[in-house]
Amino acid sequence: DAKTTQPPSMDCAEGRAANLPCNHSTISGNEYVYWYRQIHSQGPQYIIHGLKNNETNEMASLIITEDRKSSTLILPHATLRDTAVYYCIVRGGSNYKLTFGKGTLLTVNP
Amino acid sequence: GAGVSQTPSNKVTEKGKYVELRCDPISGHTALYWYRQSLGQGPEFLIYFQGTGAADDSGLPNDRFFAVRPEGSVSTLKIQRTERGDSAVYLCASSQGSGDEQFFGPGTRLTVL
Repeated sequence: DAKTTQPPSMDCAEGRAANLPCNHSTISGNEYVYWYRQIHSQGPQYIIHGLKNNETNEMASLIITEDRKSSTLILPHATLRDTAVYYCIVRGGSNYKLTFGKGTLLTVNP
Repeated sequence: GAGVSQTPSNKVTEKGKYVELRCDPISGHTALYWYRQSLGQGPEFLIYFQGTGAADDSGLPNDRFFAVRPEGSVSTLKIQRTERGDSAVYLCASSQGSGDEQFFGPGTRLTVL
């Protein structure tokens, strides 16, 4: 699976949008972009995934660039409970493994 | 139903001892995964089960580590002759099929003294 690059940490004010970037310049055509997050002392939690098109669910939006070399996870109205480590993962369609990097620690401040 | 559960939540043992960590996946999920997470790192893949069989155990660090899933549901990760370097959070996840979204349990924090 392609490697991903994320900033180690970001801050966001409560109520504002949090935009978390991820670079995956070596992504292949059949590889998906997945986002998970891990709140302190809990297991990772699935957020969203996409292939080419932008995706939205009740938790977040995923914007994938046209060349698919980067993506942005958007939390539209961040709350204190969104403070967590966010992992961007590239995964082939038939690949069962999740390969986690170090992720981005998002801190939402009051 | 309930999510993935893992027991115990914490395990403290002495170097050289044997430990067993248990995972109860979501009912009906055929795929089960074990990961290990060291402090400050993301989870690392250990082993993947499809049904009762270990389809990929390439992430197990050495032969002191073994995992079973005899009836295709509950899984046990077994560590023999524990070492201080085995201290980590051991995470279990399950999914409906092998390419589907993985649901993680809360993990077992293992401390080897």
